[in-house]
Amino acid sequence: DIQMTQSPSSLSASVGDRVTITCRASQSISSYLNWYQQKPGKAPKLLIYAASSLHTGVPSRFSGSGSGTDFTLTINSLQPEDFATYYCQQSYNNSPYTFGQGTKLEVK
Amino acid sequence: QVQLQESGPGLVKPSGTLSLTCAVSGGSISSNDWWSWVRQSPGKGLDWIGEIYHSGNTNYNPSLKSRVTISLDKSKNQFSLKLSSVTAADTAVYYCARESTGYYVTVFDSWGQGALVTVSS
Repeated sequence: DIQMTQSPSSLSASVGDRVTITCRASQSISSYLNWYQQKPGKAPKLLIYAASSLHTGVPSRFSGSGSGTDFTLTINSLQPEDFATYYCQQSYNNSPYTFGQGTKLEVK
Repeated sequence: QVQLQESGPGLVKPSGTLSLTCAVSGGSISSNDWWSWVRQSPGKGLDWIGEIYHSGNTNYNPSLKSRVTISLDKSKNQFSLKLSSVTAADTAVYYCARESTGYYVTVFDSWGQGALVTVSS
């Protein structure tokens, strides 16, 4: 299986900050990398697909980059509703799909 | 806008079989998409369980393959999960999700609200 490792596991920030979350794959996955946001008690929501494409309706303050094994999710000008847990997920060669362990973004 | 809704018992005894159903509305289970189950243990991350296509083709996570069966009922526009020989480690929120390939890569773009299943005697 392809292992996905996110860093940091948790992050404290303030409204208006710019934050970056990193995801590393155990082997090259080209751009087969997606990002999800999950709030407590809710299902994950797709934010970014194919490493850098913004899903419909997602604010432009979210952006993604990377290819191969190293990827980043950046949130510019944090808003109160952005405090949540973020997961990366690979879909290279389809099965089995694997997720990172998550990054919890908390209010400083 | 497709919507998914999980249903099934919230409590299963150890060594028993966990059974959940996902009803799909606003779209057809016979579309050109795969349908998946994903679980999340309390306070933990997301684990993909397996997927099914409208043809009946399935793929399972090797870590669970010996215990998992995913099936579908086109007449009811729903698909189901069975996980046998459960232990406390199978206690989790179980999500059903649609896999869409219309994004260049496969993504989980629609999710159910999740169903908590507790394994306990």
